[in-house]
Amino acid sequence: GEDVEQSLFLSVREGDSSVINCTYTDSSSTYLYWYKQEPGAGLQLLTYIFSNMDMKQDQRLTVLLNKKDKHLSLRIADTQTGDSAIYFCAESMGAGNMLTFGGGTRLMVKP
Amino acid sequence: NAGVTQTPKFRVLKTGQSMTLLCAQDMNHEYMYWYRQDPGMGLRLIHYSVGEGTTAKGEVPDGYNVSRLKKQNFLLGLESAAPSQTSVYFCASSARDSLFPLHFGNGTRLTVT
Repeated sequence: GEDVEQSLFLSVREGDSSVINCTYTDSSSTYLYWYKQEPGAGLQLLTYIFSNMDMKQDQRLTVLLNKKDKHLSLRIADTQTGDSAIYFCAESMGAGNMLTFGGGTRLMVKP
Repeated sequence: NAGVTQTPKFRVLKTGQSMTLLCAQDMNHEYMYWYRQDPGMGLRLIHYSVGEGTTAKGEVPDGYNVSRLKKQNFLLGLESAAPSQTSVYFCASSARDSLFPLHFGNGTRLTVT
């Protein structure tokens, strides 16, 4: 079955890099996503990566995908206090399939 | 730019009461979803709809019913609320299937006592 796991909590200092990790179990995942949830709000799509890619960079965000280990990571460079939020990874098996979300990682950025 | 709007924002129910959560989207999206969010468990899909007049069960459908009579609205009903249904409920929509970005509402916090 599908299972997506994340660590619950990460604390970093402002200006440092943050790395949020995610593991998934289904090797047929075709698309992997990172969503951000700010306090009192719904989730917003941050970035995504196709399973035939190893890396994707988008400004301060870098997504790394290790298909062999079924490991996905999100690196946030120069982390700011506004990056404090819960980050969810999610996988999809392709068109017509629903997303499976991980439990979320709460990122706390200390000034 | 309303996007996805959920009402109400908060609600307290007694066990056995019923209620309906309303979700409205103004983006002409085909797909709509209802999720529940519980601490450490991520989001779990309750029901979803692939278009007006259609509904389908998700991962945790028991105790809930849904209707999509109009394309822009997706209603989630609890016929007889139970304490296990205490949660934060999120509605989302996407232009087509879930490969497209999901747009979420701000959630409804429901407490069942």
